[in-house]
Amino acid sequence: DAGITQSPRHKVTETGTPVTLRCHQTENHRYMYWYRQDPGHGLRLIHYSYGVKDTDKGEVSDGYSVSRSKTEDFLLTLESATSSQTSVYFCAISDPSYRYTFGSGTRLTVV
Amino acid sequence: DAKTTQPPSMDCAEGRAANLPCNHSTISGNEYVYWYRQIHSQGPQYIIHGLKNNETNEMASLIITEDRKSSTLILPHATLRDTAVYYCIALEYGNKLVFGAGTILRVKS
Repeated sequence: DAGITQSPRHKVTETGTPVTLRCHQTENHRYMYWYRQDPGHGLRLIHYSYGVKDTDKGEVSDGYSVSRSKTEDFLLTLESATSSQTSVYFCAISDPSYRYTFGSGTRLTVV
Repeated sequence: DAKTTQPPSMDCAEGRAANLPCNHSTISGNEYVYWYRQIHSQGPQYIIHGLKNNETNEMASLIITEDRKSSTLILPHATLRDTAVYYCIALEYGNKLVFGAGTILRVKS
């Protein structure tokens, strides 16, 4: 979607390696989010940010950390990737009316 | 935020109106009704939201009952590209979007 991009789009990594996914927005919105989507579980919130250096945990935060040093960038890090973290990851931003815009997703495979 | 209930799946003929129902009987006065959809492999897409009044935009119409316990999303002239999972979510401003299972809408020619 316009205004939000995720990178990389696809990644294959080995168990135990660190992985960082990037979300970049051009809308200057305060709120940013990371979700994961798995068959049978739907979309689940991992972490979110309500401003630079202000982040909080979501429903499934174990094994993940985030950082937001600039308004436009929200990074999701898997400190030591596990096979259970194989998933599709979506970043989102929300406007003041809480209309969310989602990125195109990152398909991560941990082997 | 209030739980919503949607049928697991629906079919609609191409060119006809698609009416997707949603029950939210425990919705509070501060909770808005949001609709999103997710087309295969893509990120969810915002469609429309409302509090009490019916709403219409270029994509759809949202009809909310007077008691606010249920709502209907209307796609006036469904096309094959409207085939997607549709999510109805009750959300209070400031809370985080929580997705349920949604309704799989299949538009058929």
